[in-house]
Amino acid sequence: EAQVTQNPRYLITVTGKKLTVTCSQNMNHEYMSWYRQDPGLGLRQIYYSMNVEVTDKGDVPEGYKVSRKEKRNFPLILESPSPNQTSLYFCASSLWGPSGGASSTGELFFGEGSRLTVL
Amino acid sequence: SQQGEEDPQALSIQEGENATMNCSYKTSINNLQWYRQNSGRGLVHLILIRSNEREKHSGRLRVTLDTSKKSSSLLITASRAADTASYFCATDLANAGGTSYGKLTFGQGTILTVHP
Repeated sequence: EAQVTQNPRYLITVTGKKLTVTCSQNMNHEYMSWYRQDPGLGLRQIYYSMNVEVTDKGDVPEGYKVSRKEKRNFPLILESPSPNQTSLYFCASSLWGPSGGASSTGELFFGEGSRLTVL
Repeated sequence: SQQGEEDPQALSIQEGENATMNCSYKTSINNLQWYRQNSGRGLVHLILIRSNEREKHSGRLRVTLDTSKKSSSLLITASRAADTASYFCATDLANAGGTSYGKLTFGQGTILTVHP
């Protein structure tokens, strides 16, 4: 089954304790992205990656790191989490990115989300 | 403020009625996409309309795009209780040359409630 898998789905942690949220897709997609969703703010893009070893900042990259060493994985790293990073996080992937192309609609496929609480 | 802003923020209707949601954006786009989210779940793609298109249909969905007004609308006809969800527009931003930045920017969403 084609899917984007995030882990963990739920996590409660404390300020300053490094954590990684993993994201894996099995659709051979070139493009992957992380978003955070907060009440009243919609989804805001954290980082995105057009292909392996290429990553770019989204609108809210502060406090986050990413890496794209393999096509299928795009982990989100919080080196020193703070309470303002309490949020619902979504990973998404797309064949060629949101603009699509001859063989792609530009559709993003989303994971089920990771709810993170930082105390 | 956000690139995409939906209106209304919340919409409550009866089954069988039509639901219309609007989205406005600020800068040039390659395409505009609509997504649906069931309470806290992952988003699901509904439809994409490119900047050179004015209207698209998919089942009970009709999307329009007016690039001169920088606005789009999503119409759901003959709504069902199962359509209850949050709906988001998302814009694929383009630079002056029309090339995508590779960023898909979401609005704040419209919460649709369809009463049986």
